[in-house]
Amino acid sequence: SQTIHQWPATLVQPVGSPLSLECTVEGTSNPNLYWYRQAAGRGLQLLFYSVGIGQISSEVPQNLSASRPQDRQFILSSKKLLLSDSGFYLCAWRAGGRDFTDTQYFGPGTRLTVL
Amino acid sequence: AQKVTQAQTEISVVEKEDVTLDCVYETRDTTYYLFWYKQPPSGELVFLIRRNSFDEQNEISGRYSWNFQKSTSSFNFTITASQVVDSAVYFCALSEYNFNKFYFGSGTKLNVKP
Repeated sequence: SQTIHQWPATLVQPVGSPLSLECTVEGTSNPNLYWYRQAAGRGLQLLFYSVGIGQISSEVPQNLSASRPQDRQFILSSKKLLLSDSGFYLCAWRAGGRDFTDTQYFGPGTRLTVL
Repeated sequence: AQKVTQAQTEISVVEKEDVTLDCVYETRDTTYYLFWYKQPPSGELVFLIRRNSFDEQNEISGRYSWNFQKSTSSFNFTITASQVVDSAVYFCALSEYNFNKFYFGSGTKLNVKP
C-alpha cells in the first residue's frame, strides 16, 4: 500500500531564516506530487505541483520554491522566511502512469510558525 | 475558470441531528471530478468520496450521503444522525479533466455538540 510522509511535523523558525520541508511517497512510482498551504482558519492554496522528476509548476508567485530531486521526493524551500509564510503545509500525491488514479491523497502536514 | 464555493463557514449541530454541507462549483469543462475531504483536528485531509461529471447518481455510505446535481452545479454532503466524531472541517474540491490541479473550496467547519 502507498504511504506519504512529511517532516518535520512542526517547525518554529525566525524571520529571514531558510526553510526546507520534505515529502516522500512510498509504494508507487511516478506519482504526481503537490504542495498546499493552509493559513490559519483558511482553505487550501495550491503552491506547486510536479508531474515528474525536475518538473515543477508554480501556482502562486511567492517566497517559496520547490524541487523534485527523486521520483518520490518533493521538497519545499525558502531562502528567507517571511511572517506570512506561517501556516500548515500539506503534501499530496496522486498515482500516475499505469497506476493512474484521479484522487489526491494527503500527508500528515507540517505546521510552520515564523516568528 | 474553475471555482468551488462553500458558503457555510461554520455549522453547529447537536448530536443525532442531520446536517447538510453545501458545495457549488463552476467549470467550463464537460469532464470533471468532484471530491469531498474531511480534515479532523489532527490536520490530515482524509478522502471521502469522488464523483465524475457523467455520474449523477446519489451515493450513500453509512451515515454519509452525497447529492450531485449538474443542473444547479452542486455537490452537497449530508451527514445523518451526526456524532461528535464528525466534528471537522470539510472541503469540497473540483479537479480538471487531467487531474493536475484541484480547486478547493474554503471549507465548512462542522461542530457536533454532545
